[in-house]
Amino acid sequence: ETGVTQSPTHLIKTRGQQVTLRCSSQSGHNTVSWYQQALGQGPQFIFQYYREEENGRGNFPPRFSGLQFPNYSSELNVNALELDDSALYLCASSLFLGGKGSYNEQFFGPGTRLTVL
Amino acid sequence: GDSVTQMEGPVTLSEEAFLTINCTYTATGYPSLFWYVQYPGEGLQLLLKATKADDKGSNKGFEATYRKETTSFHLEKGSVQVSDSAVYFCALPDQTGANNLFFGTGTRLTVIP
Repeated sequence: ETGVTQSPTHLIKTRGQQVTLRCSSQSGHNTVSWYQQALGQGPQFIFQYYREEENGRGNFPPRFSGLQFPNYSSELNVNALELDDSALYLCASSLFLGGKGSYNEQFFGPGTRLTVL
Repeated sequence: GDSVTQMEGPVTLSEEAFLTINCTYTATGYPSLFWYVQYPGEGLQLLLKATKADDKGSNKGFEATYRKETTSFHLEKGSVQVSDSAVYFCALPDQTGANNLFFGTGTRLTVIP
């Protein structure tokens, strides 16, 4: 069973640029969530994708966008990078069985460390 | 809204010392509660969980009891090892729809020989 993988491991960008981060979900999972973890903080939920559509979103501006592909892998895109976007970006996959209020365990990847200069 | 509050760190202990990391929660109802661990340079790993009040989660010598009276889920270990050095996060799920987690700010534990 393959776990959650993310690429790249590290990335350095300059302010104003755009970035794409990638995530492959664990085998058998159909849902991908993205989190931003700033230095010294806990992860903050960005959004979740299920059936190739956004299935929930945290308090992040529209310049954070995503995609989910038919094989359940996902991309996180960030436009117009700001210095405060420097963080560890974590992807988590799960098997969503439907219904609100039920939590399905998430499995996290190792993250992509983004530095914005 | 739902949230968790962790004790502020960092925490430094000698090997074989007793560990407690405090976590309290605010939530509607009784959601599952989790402790995640993040080792240096790695992503998050689920350490333990409890799915209902009075449940005790345990793993790798760590324990946490879901106490609804005090809305707490404190993490404990009787004898820490150097290999336990990591950042520990308390978390609970968003009950309003998306299958996401709310995390505490994390507590960095350093165990010295």
